[in-house]
Amino acid sequence: DGGITQSPKYLFRKEGQNVTLSCEQNLNHDAMYWYRQDPGQGLRLIYYSQIVNDFQKGDIAEGYSVSREKKESFPLTVTSAQKNPTAFYLCASSFTSVQETQYFGPGTRLLVL
Amino acid sequence: DAKTTQPTSMDCAEGRAANLPCNHSTISGNEYVYWYRQIHSQGPQYIIHGLKNNETNEMASLIITEDRKSSTLILPHATLRDTAVYYCIVRVWEGAQKLVFGQGTRLTINP
Repeated sequence: DGGITQSPKYLFRKEGQNVTLSCEQNLNHDAMYWYRQDPGQGLRLIYYSQIVNDFQKGDIAEGYSVSREKKESFPLTVTSAQKNPTAFYLCASSFTSVQETQYFGPGTRLLVL
Repeated sequence: DAKTTQPTSMDCAEGRAANLPCNHSTISGNEYVYWYRQIHSQGPQYIIHGLKNNETNEMASLIITEDRKSSTLILPHATLRDTAVYYCIVRVWEGAQKLVFGQGTRLTINP
Protein backbone atom coordinates (compact mmCIF):
# COMPACT_ATOMS: atom_id res chain seq x y z
CA ASP A 1 0.00 0.00 0.00
CA GLY A 2 1.36 3.43 -0.90
CA GLY A 3 0.82 6.29 1.46
CA ILE A 4 1.97 8.47 4.30
CA THR A 5 2.31 7.10 7.79
CA GLN A 6 2.69 9.02 11.02
CA SER A 7 3.58 7.64 14.40
CA PRO A 8 2.65 7.54 17.12
CA LYS A 9 -1.07 8.34 16.90
CA TYR A 10 -0.94 9.88 20.39
CA LEU A 11 2.12 11.29 22.15
CA PHE A 12 2.54 12.68 25.63
CA ARG A 13 5.22 15.18 26.51
CA LYS A 14 6.45 16.20 29.91
CA GLU A 15 7.46 19.77 30.64
CA GLY A 16 10.98 20.53 29.34
CA GLN A 17 11.12 17.42 27.19
CA ASN A 18 11.85 17.20 23.47
CA VAL A 19 9.73 14.77 21.48
CA THR A 20 10.03 13.60 17.89
CA LEU A 21 7.12 12.84 15.58
CA SER A 22 7.69 10.44 12.73
CA CYS A 23 6.51 10.89 9.13
CA GLU A 24 7.27 8.33 6.41
CA GLN A 25 6.06 8.16 2.81
CA ASN A 26 6.53 5.55 0.09
CA LEU A 27 5.00 7.63 -2.69
CA ASN A 28 8.39 8.70 -4.09
CA HIS A 29 7.46 12.32 -3.37
CA ASP A 30 10.21 14.93 -3.29
CA ALA A 31 8.41 17.50 -1.12
CA MET A 32 7.22 17.03 2.44
CA TYR A 33 5.45 19.34 4.89
CA TRP A 34 4.53 19.64 8.56
CA TYR A 35 1.36 21.41 9.69
CA ARG A 36 -0.11 22.11 13.08
CA GLN A 37 -3.86 22.18 13.77
CA ASP A 38 -5.40 23.62 16.94
CA PRO A 39 -8.99 22.78 17.97
CA GLY A 40 -11.57 24.31 15.63
CA GLN A 41 -8.87 25.90 13.49
CA GLY A 42 -7.36 25.38 10.07
CA LEU A 43 -3.83 24.11 9.45
CA ARG A 44 -0.70 26.22 9.82
CA LEU A 45 2.60 25.41 8.11
CA ILE A 46 5.55 24.66 10.43
CA TYR A 47 8.33 23.47 8.08
CA TYR A 48 8.63 22.16 4.56
CA SER A 49 11.25 20.36 2.53
CA GLN A 50 11.46 20.49 -1.24
CA ILE A 51 14.22 17.91 -1.55
CA VAL A 52 16.51 15.72 0.54
CA ASN A 53 18.92 17.64 2.80
CA ASP A 54 16.97 20.86 2.38
CA PHE A 55 14.18 22.38 4.45
CA GLN A 56 12.65 25.79 5.04
CA LYS A 57 10.72 27.44 7.85
CA GLY A 58 7.01 27.90 7.48
CA ASP A 59 4.79 30.35 9.32
CA ILE A 60 5.20 28.98 12.85
CA ALA A 61 8.64 27.33 13.00
CA GLU A 62 9.69 28.64 16.42
CA GLY A 63 10.16 25.81 18.92
CA TYR A 64 10.34 23.13 16.22
CA SER A 65 13.14 21.48 14.27
CA VAL A 66 13.23 19.03 11.35
CA SER A 67 15.66 16.95 9.32
CA ARG A 68 15.47 15.44 5.85
CA GLU A 69 18.24 12.89 5.54
CA LYS A 70 16.18 10.47 3.44
CA LYS A 71 13.59 11.10 0.76
CA GLU A 72 11.06 8.93 2.57
CA SER A 73 11.36 10.48 6.01
CA PHE A 74 10.75 13.94 7.50
CA PRO A 75 10.73 13.79 11.32
CA LEU A 76 9.59 16.76 13.38
CA THR A 77 11.03 17.50 16.83
CA VAL A 78 8.96 19.56 19.21
CA THR A 79 11.49 21.18 21.52
CA SER A 80 11.07 22.48 25.05
CA ALA A 81 11.16 25.97 23.55
CA GLN A 82 7.68 25.39 22.12
CA LYS A 83 5.55 26.73 24.95
CA ASN A 84 2.19 25.55 23.70
CA PRO A 85 2.80 22.23 21.94
CA THR A 86 -0.59 20.62 22.52
CA ALA A 87 -2.07 20.23 19.02
CA PHE A 88 -2.78 17.85 16.17
CA TYR A 89 0.27 17.51 13.89
CA LEU A 90 -0.14 16.62 10.24
CA CYS A 91 2.49 15.59 7.74
CA ALA A 92 1.93 15.92 3.99
CA SER A 93 3.85 15.21 0.81
CA SER A 94 3.70 16.05 -2.89
CA PHE A 95 5.62 14.95 -5.99
CA THR A 96 7.34 18.28 -6.22
CA SER A 97 6.93 21.54 -4.39
CA VAL A 98 5.51 23.23 -7.47
CA GLN A 99 1.93 22.83 -8.66
CA GLU A 100 1.38 19.42 -7.14
CA THR A 101 -1.37 18.15 -4.86
CA GLN A 102 -0.41 17.57 -1.23
CA TYR A 103 -1.52 14.33 0.39
CA PHE A 104 -1.81 14.07 4.16
CA GLY A 105 -1.00 11.44 6.75
CA PRO A 106 -3.38 10.44 9.57
CA GLY A 107 -1.83 12.83 12.11
CA THR A 108 -0.30 12.68 15.59
CA ARG A 109 -2.03 14.21 18.59
CA LEU A 110 0.49 15.66 21.05
CA LEU A 111 -0.56 16.28 24.64
CA VAL A 112 1.46 17.91 27.40
CA LEU A 113 1.39 16.30 30.84
CA ASP B 1 -2.09 35.29 0.72
CA ALA B 2 -5.35 34.93 -1.10
CA LYS B 3 -8.06 34.41 1.48
CA THR B 4 -11.17 32.31 1.19
CA THR B 5 -14.55 32.77 2.83
CA GLN B 6 -16.86 29.84 3.53
CA PRO B 7 -20.06 29.43 5.54
CA THR B 8 -19.36 28.07 8.99
CA SER B 9 -21.83 25.21 8.70
CA MET B 10 -24.33 23.60 6.34
CA ASP B 11 -26.82 20.77 6.42
CA CYS B 12 -27.90 18.47 3.61
CA ALA B 13 -30.26 15.51 3.38
CA GLU B 14 -28.81 12.13 2.54
CA GLY B 15 -29.10 11.36 -1.18
CA ARG B 16 -29.36 14.99 -2.18
CA ALA B 17 -26.66 17.11 -3.79
CA ALA B 18 -24.55 19.12 -1.37
CA ASN B 19 -23.40 22.47 -2.75
CA LEU B 20 -20.63 24.14 -0.79
CA PRO B 21 -19.80 27.73 -1.75
CA CYS B 22 -16.47 29.53 -1.42
CA ASN B 23 -15.48 33.12 -2.09
CA HIS B 24 -11.91 33.93 -3.10
CA SER B 25 -12.22 37.43 -4.48
CA THR B 26 -8.48 38.26 -4.21
CA ILE B 27 -7.28 35.21 -6.11
CA SER B 28 -4.48 35.78 -8.61
CA GLY B 29 -4.47 34.49 -12.15
CA ASN B 30 -2.09 31.59 -11.51
CA GLU B 31 -3.50 30.42 -8.17
CA TYR B 32 -5.37 27.15 -8.02
CA VAL B 33 -8.46 26.47 -5.92
CA TYR B 34 -8.22 23.27 -3.89
CA TRP B 35 -10.83 21.45 -1.84
CA TYR B 36 -10.01 19.11 1.01
CA ARG B 37 -12.19 17.58 3.68
CA GLN B 38 -11.37 16.43 7.18
CA ILE B 39 -13.28 13.93 9.23
CA HIS B 40 -12.78 14.36 12.95
CA SER B 41 -9.26 13.50 14.15
CA GLN B 42 -8.09 12.36 10.72
CA GLY B 43 -5.78 13.93 8.16
CA PRO B 44 -7.33 16.10 5.44
CA GLN B 45 -8.41 14.20 2.33
CA TYR B 46 -7.86 15.72 -1.10
CA ILE B 47 -11.08 16.09 -3.10
CA ILE B 48 -10.51 18.15 -6.23
CA HIS B 49 -8.77 21.23 -7.59
CA GLY B 50 -9.06 23.61 -10.54
CA LEU B 51 -7.68 26.77 -12.10
CA LYS B 52 -10.45 28.20 -14.25
CA ASN B 53 -12.33 25.36 -15.92
CA ASN B 54 -14.97 23.27 -14.19
CA GLU B 55 -13.64 19.93 -13.00
CA THR B 56 -15.21 16.59 -12.13
CA ASN B 57 -13.83 13.42 -10.61
CA GLU B 58 -15.24 10.38 -8.87
CA MET B 59 -15.80 12.28 -5.65
CA ALA B 60 -17.14 15.68 -6.65
CA SER B 61 -17.51 18.49 -9.16
CA LEU B 62 -15.95 21.91 -8.92
CA ILE B 63 -17.62 24.89 -10.54
CA ILE B 64 -15.49 28.05 -10.81
CA THR B 65 -17.08 31.33 -11.87
CA GLU B 66 -15.77 33.04 -14.98
CA ASP B 67 -14.18 35.85 -12.96
CA ARG B 68 -12.66 33.18 -10.64
CA LYS B 69 -13.80 35.06 -7.55
CA SER B 70 -15.89 32.20 -6.25
CA SER B 71 -16.40 28.49 -6.63
CA THR B 72 -18.80 25.74 -5.58
CA LEU B 73 -18.00 22.18 -4.61
CA ILE B 74 -20.78 19.75 -5.48
CA LEU B 75 -21.18 16.33 -3.88
CA PRO B 76 -23.83 14.88 -6.21
CA HIS B 77 -25.41 12.27 -3.92
CA ALA B 78 -24.39 12.95 -0.34
CA THR B 79 -24.08 10.06 2.10
CA LEU B 80 -23.69 10.04 5.88
CA ARG B 81 -19.96 9.40 5.38
CA ASP B 82 -19.65 12.79 3.69
CA THR B 83 -20.18 14.50 7.05
CA ALA B 84 -16.92 16.42 7.57
CA VAL B 85 -15.29 19.85 7.58
CA TYR B 86 -14.67 21.00 4.02
CA TYR B 87 -11.83 23.39 3.28
CA CYS B 88 -11.62 25.62 0.25
CA ILE B 89 -8.01 26.64 -0.23
CA VAL B 90 -6.15 28.86 -2.63
CA ARG B 91 -2.68 27.51 -3.18
CA VAL B 92 -0.02 30.19 -3.26
CA TRP B 93 3.62 30.06 -4.21
CA GLU B 94 6.10 31.43 -1.65
CA GLY B 95 9.31 29.59 -2.41
CA ALA B 96 7.27 26.43 -2.24
CA GLN B 97 3.61 25.80 -2.58
CA LYS B 98 1.69 26.69 0.53
CA LEU B 99 -1.84 25.67 1.42
CA VAL B 100 -3.53 28.37 3.49
CA PHE B 101 -6.32 26.71 5.45
CA GLY B 102 -9.21 28.70 6.84
CA GLN B 103 -11.80 27.36 9.25
CA GLY B 104 -13.82 25.54 6.59
CA THR B 105 -17.49 24.55 6.39
CA ARG B 106 -18.82 21.90 8.71
CA LEU B 107 -21.15 19.85 6.51
CA THR B 108 -23.65 17.60 8.25
CA ILE B 109 -25.52 15.02 6.19
CA ASN B 110 -28.84 14.12 7.80
CA PRO B 111 -30.63 10.79 7.31
